[in-house]
Amino acid sequence: EAQVTQNPRYLITVTGKKLTVTCSQNMNHEYMSWYRQDPGLGLRQIYYSMNVEVTDKGDVPEGYKVSRKEKRNFPLILESPSPNQTSLYFCASSLGAGRYEQYFGPGTRLTVT
Amino acid sequence: GENVEQHPSTLSVQEGDSAVIKCTYSDSASNYFPWYKQELGKRPQLIIDIRSNVGEKKDQRIAVTLNKTAKHFSLHITETQPEDSAVYFCAAYQEGSQGNLIFGKGTKLSVKP
Repeated sequence: EAQVTQNPRYLITVTGKKLTVTCSQNMNHEYMSWYRQDPGLGLRQIYYSMNVEVTDKGDVPEGYKVSRKEKRNFPLILESPSPNQTSLYFCASSLGAGRYEQYFGPGTRLTVT
Repeated sequence: GENVEQHPSTLSVQEGDSAVIKCTYSDSASNYFPWYKQELGKRPQLIIDIRSNVGEKKDQRIAVTLNKTAKHFSLHITETQPEDSAVYFCAAYQEGSQGNLIFGKGTKLSVKP
C-alpha cells in the first residue's frame, strides 16, 4: 500500500530535550516536505527536499533541522524544543514540487512543556 | 513571494445547500491551484485542482473556478452532505519556479443535517 508514515504520532516533551520525528514514504517520491499546522494559520512549510542530500528552508525553518540521506526517509529534528513549537506536524511526499499531488502522513501532535 | 488569502474562515450550511469558498493570490505568475480537504483528525487530501489554462473544472458535486485577471479562485460544493464537513485548504504554485506550494489558512465547513 502506497503511504507516508510518521512516528511518533503523539509526543509530549520538555523544553530543550532533543527529539526526532521520523517520516518515511514507499512511493519512490523525490520531493518531501514538512509542514506545521496551527489553528488559524493553516499549513506552513518548515523544510523541503527535492532529492537525496538536497534540502532547503521553507517559510518557518527556525528551530528545526532535517536530513535526507535516503530517498524514502526525511526526519525532522528539533535540537532544543521550545513551547512555541507545540503544533501538529505533517510530512508529505510527491513526485515533485508544487504541481504534483502532495501525499500527507498521518500527522504528529507535539506538545512541548 | 506568493500570498494566498482564503475566505471565509468558517462556513455553516444546511444539508443540500451549496457552499462556496474563495481564495485570492498575489503572484500573477502562479498557475496551479489545488484544493485539499482535511477531515477531523485526518491528514489533508487533494480533492480537485486547476491550472491557469482552464477556467473551470468539475468533479461530481465539486467544482473549481479560476479568474486569472482578478487573481482569485473558488471551490463550489453543491448538494452538500454531512460528510463534506471538514477543513478545506486552497493553495497556489508557480510551475517551473523554485518556489513551493503556498496554502491558505483554511475554511472550516460544517454541514448541518
